[in-house]
Amino acid sequence: AQSVSQHNHHVILSEAASLELGCNYSYGGTVNLFWYVQYPGQHLQLLLKYFSGDPLVKGIKGFEAEFIKSKFSFNLRKPSVQWSDTAEYFCAVNARGAAGNKLTFGGGTRVLVKP
Amino acid sequence: EAGVVQSPRYKIIEKKQPVAFWCNPISGHNTLYWYLQNLGQGPELLIRYENEEAVDDSQLPKDRFSAERLKGVDSTLKIQPAELGDSAVYLCASSLLEGEQFFGPGTRLTVL
Repeated sequence: AQSVSQHNHHVILSEAASLELGCNYSYGGTVNLFWYVQYPGQHLQLLLKYFSGDPLVKGIKGFEAEFIKSKFSFNLRKPSVQWSDTAEYFCAVNARGAAGNKLTFGGGTRVLVKP
Repeated sequence: EAGVVQSPRYKIIEKKQPVAFWCNPISGHNTLYWYLQNLGQGPELLIRYENEEAVDDSQLPKDRFSAERLKGVDSTLKIQPAELGDSAVYLCASSLLEGEQFFGPGTRLTVL
Protein backbone atom coordinates (compact mmCIF):
# COMPACT_ATOMS: atom_id res chain seq x y z
CA ALA A 1 0.00 0.00 0.00
CA GLN A 2 1.17 3.51 -0.70
CA SER A 3 1.84 6.08 2.00
CA VAL A 4 2.69 9.77 1.95
CA SER A 5 4.80 11.70 4.43
CA GLN A 6 4.92 15.46 4.80
CA HIS A 7 7.86 16.55 6.87
CA ASN A 8 6.60 19.74 8.44
CA HIS A 9 3.32 20.07 10.27
CA HIS A 10 3.57 23.83 10.69
CA VAL A 11 5.55 26.48 8.86
CA ILE A 12 5.61 30.16 9.77
CA LEU A 13 7.29 32.67 7.50
CA SER A 14 7.13 36.30 6.49
CA GLU A 15 5.86 37.73 3.23
CA ALA A 16 8.38 37.56 0.37
CA ALA A 17 10.18 34.62 1.96
CA SER A 18 10.65 31.47 -0.08
CA LEU A 19 8.64 28.37 0.75
CA GLU A 20 9.50 24.73 0.30
CA LEU A 21 7.30 21.92 1.61
CA GLY A 22 8.60 18.40 1.61
CA CYS A 23 6.65 15.35 0.46
CA ASN A 24 7.86 11.79 0.22
CA TYR A 25 5.86 8.77 -0.78
CA SER A 26 6.37 5.06 -0.56
CA TYR A 27 5.24 3.01 -3.52
CA GLY A 28 7.35 0.93 -5.85
CA GLY A 29 5.37 1.51 -9.00
CA THR A 30 4.43 4.44 -11.17
CA VAL A 31 2.50 7.22 -9.52
CA ASN A 32 0.52 10.34 -10.21
CA LEU A 33 1.33 13.12 -7.74
CA PHE A 34 -0.73 16.04 -6.52
CA TRP A 35 -0.61 19.03 -4.24
CA TYR A 36 -3.92 20.28 -2.86
CA VAL A 37 -4.45 23.47 -0.89
CA GLN A 38 -7.15 24.36 1.61
CA TYR A 39 -7.51 28.07 2.35
CA PRO A 40 -9.19 29.02 5.64
CA GLY A 41 -12.90 28.29 5.44
CA GLN A 42 -12.68 26.87 1.93
CA HIS A 43 -12.67 23.42 0.41
CA LEU A 44 -9.71 21.47 -0.90
CA GLN A 45 -8.60 22.54 -4.35
CA LEU A 46 -5.93 21.31 -6.70
CA LEU A 47 -2.73 23.34 -6.78
CA LEU A 48 -0.79 21.25 -9.29
CA LYS A 49 -0.31 17.70 -10.50
CA TYR A 50 2.29 15.48 -12.10
CA PHE A 51 1.39 12.58 -14.35
CA SER A 52 4.40 12.25 -16.66
CA GLY A 53 6.91 14.26 -18.69
CA ASP A 54 8.82 17.25 -17.33
CA PRO A 55 9.41 16.56 -13.62
CA LEU A 56 9.19 20.26 -12.84
CA VAL A 57 5.51 21.11 -12.72
CA LYS A 58 4.06 24.60 -12.54
CA GLY A 59 0.74 25.19 -10.88
CA ILE A 60 -1.52 28.05 -9.98
CA LYS A 61 -0.53 31.14 -7.98
CA GLY A 62 3.18 30.82 -8.70
CA PHE A 63 3.64 27.41 -7.12
CA GLU A 64 5.79 24.70 -8.61
CA ALA A 65 6.81 21.19 -7.61
CA GLU A 66 9.63 18.90 -8.63
CA PHE A 67 9.28 15.15 -8.93
CA ILE A 68 12.52 13.35 -8.08
CA LYS A 69 11.88 9.70 -8.78
CA SER A 70 15.09 8.44 -7.16
CA LYS A 71 14.15 10.14 -3.91
CA PHE A 72 10.42 9.34 -4.06
CA SER A 73 9.84 13.03 -3.48
CA PHE A 74 7.51 15.71 -4.79
CA ASN A 75 8.43 18.93 -3.00
CA LEU A 76 6.37 22.07 -3.38
CA ARG A 77 8.03 25.48 -3.79
CA LYS A 78 7.17 29.12 -4.13
CA PRO A 79 9.94 31.72 -4.46
CA SER A 80 8.11 34.55 -2.72
CA VAL A 81 5.02 33.97 -0.59
CA GLN A 82 2.17 36.35 0.08
CA TRP A 83 -0.10 36.68 3.07
CA SER A 84 -2.84 35.09 0.97
CA ASP A 85 -0.82 31.85 0.78
CA THR A 86 -1.76 31.15 4.39
CA ALA A 87 -3.43 27.75 4.10
CA GLU A 88 -3.01 24.04 4.69
CA TYR A 89 -1.19 22.13 1.96
CA PHE A 90 -1.66 18.43 1.26
CA CYS A 91 0.46 16.16 -0.88
CA ALA A 92 -1.35 13.18 -2.42
CA VAL A 93 -0.41 10.12 -4.45
CA ASN A 94 -2.36 7.93 -6.80
CA ALA A 95 -0.77 4.61 -7.74
CA ARG A 96 -1.07 4.51 -11.50
CA GLY A 97 -2.55 1.33 -12.86
CA ALA A 98 -3.89 0.25 -9.51
CA ALA A 99 -7.58 -0.36 -9.23
CA GLY A 100 -9.33 2.92 -9.39
CA ASN A 101 -8.52 6.56 -8.85
CA LYS A 102 -7.59 6.29 -5.15
CA LEU A 103 -5.75 9.20 -3.58
CA THR A 104 -3.57 8.71 -0.52
CA PHE A 105 -2.94 11.98 1.30
CA GLY A 106 -0.16 13.13 3.56
CA GLY A 107 -0.94 14.64 6.94
CA GLY A 108 -0.82 18.21 5.67
CA THR A 109 1.35 21.24 6.43
CA ARG A 110 -0.17 24.35 7.90
CA VAL A 111 1.50 27.44 6.49
CA LEU A 112 1.14 30.82 8.16
CA VAL A 113 2.47 33.82 6.28
CA LYS A 114 2.95 36.88 8.45
CA PRO A 115 2.27 40.22 6.78
CA GLU B 1 -20.30 25.17 -13.35
CA ALA B 2 -21.54 24.20 -9.91
CA GLY B 3 -19.10 22.36 -7.70
CA VAL B 4 -19.64 19.43 -5.39
CA VAL B 5 -22.47 20.22 -3.00
CA GLN B 6 -22.67 18.80 0.51
CA SER B 7 -25.19 19.21 3.26
CA PRO B 8 -25.39 19.90 6.05
CA ARG B 9 -22.22 21.92 6.54
CA TYR B 10 -22.27 21.38 10.30
CA LYS B 11 -23.94 18.79 12.47
CA ILE B 12 -23.93 18.36 16.23
CA ILE B 13 -25.45 15.22 17.70
CA GLU B 14 -25.29 13.19 20.87
CA LYS B 15 -23.55 9.85 20.86
CA LYS B 16 -25.63 6.87 19.85
CA GLN B 17 -27.78 9.03 17.59
CA PRO B 18 -27.93 8.42 13.84
CA VAL B 19 -26.67 10.99 11.33
CA ALA B 20 -26.70 11.28 7.56
CA PHE B 21 -24.70 13.36 5.10
CA TRP B 22 -25.69 14.15 1.56
CA CYS B 23 -23.53 14.83 -1.49
CA ASN B 24 -24.36 15.97 -5.00
CA PRO B 25 -21.38 15.58 -7.35
CA ILE B 26 -20.47 17.69 -10.35
CA SER B 27 -22.80 16.93 -13.22
CA GLY B 28 -21.43 14.17 -15.42
CA HIS B 29 -18.90 12.87 -12.91
CA ASN B 30 -19.39 9.15 -12.69
CA THR B 31 -17.01 8.56 -9.78
CA LEU B 32 -17.89 9.71 -6.27
CA TYR B 33 -15.77 9.47 -3.12
CA TRP B 34 -16.40 9.87 0.58
CA TYR B 35 -13.39 10.81 2.70
CA LEU B 36 -12.94 11.22 6.44
CA GLN B 37 -10.67 13.99 7.67
CA ASN B 38 -9.67 14.03 11.31
CA LEU B 39 -8.29 17.21 12.84
CA GLY B 40 -4.69 17.78 11.83
CA GLN B 41 -4.65 14.93 9.33
CA GLY B 42 -5.14 14.42 5.63
CA PRO B 43 -8.33 12.97 4.16
CA GLU B 44 -8.71 9.18 4.18
CA LEU B 45 -10.89 7.38 1.70
CA LEU B 46 -13.98 5.68 3.11
CA ILE B 47 -15.71 4.54 -0.05
CA ARG B 48 -15.53 5.07 -3.79
CA TYR B 49 -18.39 4.67 -6.26
CA GLU B 50 -18.26 4.23 -9.99
CA ASN B 51 -21.77 5.12 -11.07
CA GLU B 52 -23.99 3.30 -8.56
CA GLU B 53 -21.50 0.56 -7.71
CA ALA B 54 -19.32 0.74 -4.60
CA VAL B 55 -15.98 -0.41 -6.05
CA ASP B 56 -13.82 0.26 -2.99
CA ASP B 57 -15.34 0.20 0.49
CA SER B 58 -12.47 -1.53 2.25
CA GLN B 59 -11.95 1.39 4.67
CA LEU B 60 -15.62 1.83 5.56
CA PRO B 61 -16.44 0.62 9.11
CA LYS B 62 -19.42 -1.43 8.07
CA ASP B 63 -20.70 -2.09 11.56
CA ARG B 64 -21.94 1.47 11.87
CA PHE B 65 -21.33 3.20 8.54
CA SER B 66 -23.33 2.75 5.38
CA ALA B 67 -23.53 4.57 2.09
CA GLU B 68 -25.62 4.52 -1.01
CA ARG B 69 -25.60 6.11 -4.41
CA LEU B 70 -28.92 5.31 -5.96
CA LYS B 71 -29.22 6.15 -9.66
CA GLY B 72 -25.50 6.90 -9.79
CA VAL B 73 -25.80 10.59 -9.02
CA ASP B 74 -26.07 11.92 -5.48
CA SER B 75 -25.02 9.92 -2.46
CA THR B 76 -25.78 9.58 1.24
CA LEU B 77 -23.38 8.51 3.97
CA LYS B 78 -24.93 7.35 7.24
CA ILE B 79 -23.58 6.61 10.69
CA GLN B 80 -25.73 4.67 13.11
CA PRO B 81 -25.08 4.87 15.97
CA ALA B 82 -22.54 7.69 16.14
CA GLU B 83 -19.65 7.48 18.59
CA LEU B 84 -17.50 10.23 20.09
CA GLY B 85 -14.60 9.22 17.85
CA ASP B 86 -16.65 9.90 14.73
CA SER B 87 -16.25 13.65 15.24
CA ALA B 88 -14.47 14.78 12.07
CA VAL B 89 -15.03 16.40 8.70
CA TYR B 90 -16.67 14.20 6.08
CA LEU B 91 -15.64 15.17 2.57
CA CYS B 92 -17.26 14.22 -0.70
CA ALA B 93 -15.40 14.40 -4.00
CA SER B 94 -16.21 13.53 -7.57
CA SER B 95 -14.32 12.95 -10.79
CA LEU B 96 -14.53 11.52 -14.21
CA LEU B 97 -13.20 7.96 -14.11
CA GLU B 98 -9.46 8.68 -13.88
CA GLY B 99 -9.50 12.43 -13.68
CA GLU B 100 -8.87 15.13 -11.13
CA GLN B 101 -10.94 14.85 -7.98
CA PHE B 102 -13.02 17.89 -7.05
CA PHE B 103 -13.89 18.26 -3.40
CA GLY B 104 -16.95 19.63 -1.68
CA PRO B 105 -16.85 21.89 1.40
CA GLY B 106 -17.35 18.99 3.80
CA THR B 107 -19.67 18.33 6.72
CA ARG B 108 -18.16 18.98 10.13
CA LEU B 109 -19.63 16.46 12.57
CA THR B 110 -19.42 16.92 16.32
CA VAL B 111 -20.55 14.04 18.50
CA LEU B 112 -21.20 14.97 22.16
